[in-house]
Amino acid sequence: DTGVSQNPRHKITKRGQNVTFRCDPISEHNRLYWYRQTLGQGPEFLTYFQNEAQLEKSRLLSDRFSAERPKGSFSTLEIQRTEQGDSAMYLCASSLGDRDHEKLFFGSGTQLSVL
Amino acid sequence: GDSVTQMEGPVTLSEEAFLTINCTYTATGYPSLFWYVQYPGEGLQLLLKATKADDKGSNKGFEATYRKETTSFHLEKGSVQVSDSAVYFCALRPMYSGGGADGLTFGKGTHLIIQP
Repeated sequence: DTGVSQNPRHKITKRGQNVTFRCDPISEHNRLYWYRQTLGQGPEFLTYFQNEAQLEKSRLLSDRFSAERPKGSFSTLEIQRTEQGDSAMYLCASSLGDRDHEKLFFGSGTQLSVL
Repeated sequence: GDSVTQMEGPVTLSEEAFLTINCTYTATGYPSLFWYVQYPGEGLQLLLKATKADDKGSNKGFEATYRKETTSFHLEKGSVQVSDSAVYFCALRPMYSGGGADGLTFGKGTHLIIQP
């Protein structure tokens, strides 16, 4: 097991295009999180899955953003009609266990640049 | 809403110096508190945590004590090494889940540079 894997590492797109990122969590982990991080800021929570169920969405997750985890394993985050303000590092994290004892393992992120 | 405030960096120290990175929080009740570290080119890693007042989290020579009275969770290390150079993030998880409360709230991060 090599940890949480995110693809692609970098994505450059033009404003108005759609982009999709993939996250492969640690295999036995049932919880999966998406965060967004901009330069000089800490990660901001976007959404969270327990197995295939999306249990929580931040108000930061506009209608242009959608996340899925269809079989409770990998997850995708899609951004439609990208805007320059979407430029950021998108981080995925996974964990195993109950809420009070969980430890999040983060991937290295996907850096999105919207031109 | 919940928030975390940590000292701005970069913080530059010489090897073997004493380290303190301040972190204070605003939250309802008794949140769980965390320090995460991001080494160059790597993903964030949990460094230590504390889940109730007066708990002390420790790992790799780092310590932080959950102080409810001052709403603080300052990170300390007695003697830093060059390999401790990284970005350190303080974070909290609210006391109650549900209603949008399971995600961590992070501070902005403090860049620590240790010079030999």
